[in-house]
Amino acid sequence: GAVVSQHPSRVICKSGTSVKIECRSLDFQATTMFWYRQFPKQSLMLMATSNEGSKATYEQGVEKDKFLINHASLTLSTLTVTSAHPEDSSFYICSARVGTGGTDTQYFGPGTRLTVL
Amino acid sequence: AQSVTQLGSHVSVSEGALVLLRCNYSSSVPPYLFWYVQYPNQGLQLLLKYTTGATLVKGINGFEAEFKKSETSFHLTKPSAHMSDAAEYFCAVSDSGGGADGLTFGKGTHLIIQP
Repeated sequence: GAVVSQHPSRVICKSGTSVKIECRSLDFQATTMFWYRQFPKQSLMLMATSNEGSKATYEQGVEKDKFLINHASLTLSTLTVTSAHPEDSSFYICSARVGTGGTDTQYFGPGTRLTVL
Repeated sequence: AQSVTQLGSHVSVSEGALVLLRCNYSSSVPPYLFWYVQYPNQGLQLLLKYTTGATLVKGINGFEAEFKKSETSFHLTKPSAHMSDAAEYFCAVSDSGGGADGLTFGKGTHLIIQP
């Protein structure tokens, strides 16, 4: 099946610093990737849709200047949390689209645990 | 707007017993429905999905789900629970097949398997 990786799996940083999270599709090309955020014991909330070669589309309430998304190639999307604060601590999960039309599916990465001190 | 309701944040069953995880959805268009499983500190793994056609969908690990339009439900079942089934289960809905748009998830159900 389609494999999606994320790096790093865990990151701890000081308040005010920026953190970059990578999402890679390992054995397929993904024109569309998604970024989700999951708070402890809660569901995933879609943050943004990342399309290769164009600007990301952010969900309502997500600060685009704080969560910078770059989809520079068909196998890589990055999420940069700028000037991180403790409230940004969360589990960030990406997914990549496979297929087209009604047969397409999202495959999820293993997630990145961000802790901001 | 779409929404997903998963009844029961925690479900506990004995090993070998029937597993039933409930999911109801709302959607303004014919929905695409999904069940995902999440193990601790891991991403989500697709169990099964419904797009069109047969309303009874079989997935991995012996799970299946039935789409009932009249009840707006997509409950997940497994005839005989195994200890390895203990995990968090998420029901999700999309109006575009699950790929073109992000998914809307329910709050999840934590499945506990009693020995």
